[in-house]
Amino acid sequence: GESVGLHLPTLSVQEGDNSIINCAYSNSASDYFIWYKQESGKGPQFIIDIRSNMDKRQGQRVTVLLNKTVKHLSLQIAATQPGDSAVYFCAENLGQSGAGSYQLTFGKGTKLSVIP
Amino acid sequence: NAGVTQTPKFQVLKTGQSMTLQCAQDMNHEYMSWYRQDPGMGLRLIHYSVGAGITDQGEVPNGYNVSRSTTEDFPLRLLSAAPSQTSVYFCASSLSRTASSYNSPLHFGNGTRLTVT
Repeated sequence: GESVGLHLPTLSVQEGDNSIINCAYSNSASDYFIWYKQESGKGPQFIIDIRSNMDKRQGQRVTVLLNKTVKHLSLQIAATQPGDSAVYFCAENLGQSGAGSYQLTFGKGTKLSVIP
Repeated sequence: NAGVTQTPKFQVLKTGQSMTLQCAQDMNHEYMSWYRQDPGMGLRLIHYSVGAGITDQGEVPNGYNVSRSTTEDFPLRLLSAAPSQTSVYFCASSLSRTASSYNSPLHFGNGTRLTVT
């Protein structure tokens, strides 16, 4: 079946640098994408989302870019801080059933380590 | 608001035992769901509900039952635990039943870590 995946399983960045976490998706019908951050022992925490009618969306220190042509999603974190160290998941919404409900498919995650 | 509350935080079961994982949200969210998280597998959807009295299966529903008698609660039942059900279970909820609004992302609880021996 189709799935969401990540290019890099681990990423180490220097504190203060920008981080870019990439994600590939394979379902061209997906119309909604989300990035989550998960710290050890905790549940996924919502970071930012984007619908397929946009190619860029910005939040506080984070930007999500969507390239539908190559089915690629990325999360950019500006001025990375030690508190950003976590596992980051992308997810696509495959809720194309009659109910149109949330049915997220998650990637396997990228571990971001920030070097002080 | 407490958000999404899951109990217990940890549980150890013997093969064949049954138990219920509790999930409650106090945000009047319409949509609730259960995911399991296994190493190298990401999160996979078990069951979901778009409102009280309505449930449906996700990607990996076998061995699990759910019910939604109230808007607030969405318990997950393991009928006869198996070692393959050793996992971390997350409950999640959203204000909207559809991923149609930027104002209703999916909120997760902090998980129940289940070990089946």
